[in-house]
Amino acid sequence: EAGVTQFPSHSVIEKGQTVTLRCDPISGHDNLYWYRRVMGKEIKFLLHFVKESKQDESGMPNNRFLAERTGGTYSTLKVQPAELEDSGVYFCASSQAGRDYGYTFGSGTRLTVV
Amino acid sequence: GESVGLHLPTLSVQEGDNSIINCAYSNSASDYFIWYKQESGKGPQFIIDIRSNMDKRQGQRVTVLLNKTVKHLSLQIAATQPGDSAVYFCAENAGDDKIIFGKGTRLHILP
Repeated sequence: EAGVTQFPSHSVIEKGQTVTLRCDPISGHDNLYWYRRVMGKEIKFLLHFVKESKQDESGMPNNRFLAERTGGTYSTLKVQPAELEDSGVYFCASSQAGRDYGYTFGSGTRLTVV
Repeated sequence: GESVGLHLPTLSVQEGDNSIINCAYSNSASDYFIWYKQESGKGPQFIIDIRSNMDKRQGQRVTVLLNKTVKHLSLQIAATQPGDSAVYFCAENAGDDKIIFGKGTRLHILP
């Protein structure tokens, strides 16, 4: 079974540019989560999809961040325009049935805004 | 506030010794706790979990202890090996389908 796949693994962009991160969850997993870890701090929740619907987006930092999950399969997270403080590692995770089974995380996308 | 924290950012342990990583949480409504291991270049990997109706759970070389009275969680790794080097995160869930992570403890294994 393929795991959670994230693309790209690394991205370096200039301040003000746009970047789109992609996450392919494990096939059949309805739940998809985005998290990020900024400057070695804790891993912060961004948002949660159930299929194509946003269940909880309370962790999205501001309106420069837009997440989509069209068709309930893969998800994208767009940052536009990127700021220096957006640098960090963005993780995606998926789960099949609520929280009891734990999440499966992808390897993350390391975003560096210069 | 609702947060999960760790007591030590870094822990160094001699190879073969036991490691104990501690975590304090503040949300008394949390009823499910998870330990994750993150190796360099990889995402967090599930190690072990525990529900609030238990105070101890054992896995292979790992044990999680939960003390709800003082809101404390710990991860014990027996006979620590070089492959255990990683950052360890505790995480909690309060029933809303999202987990909240602590800051993490980096475990160094000394030869």
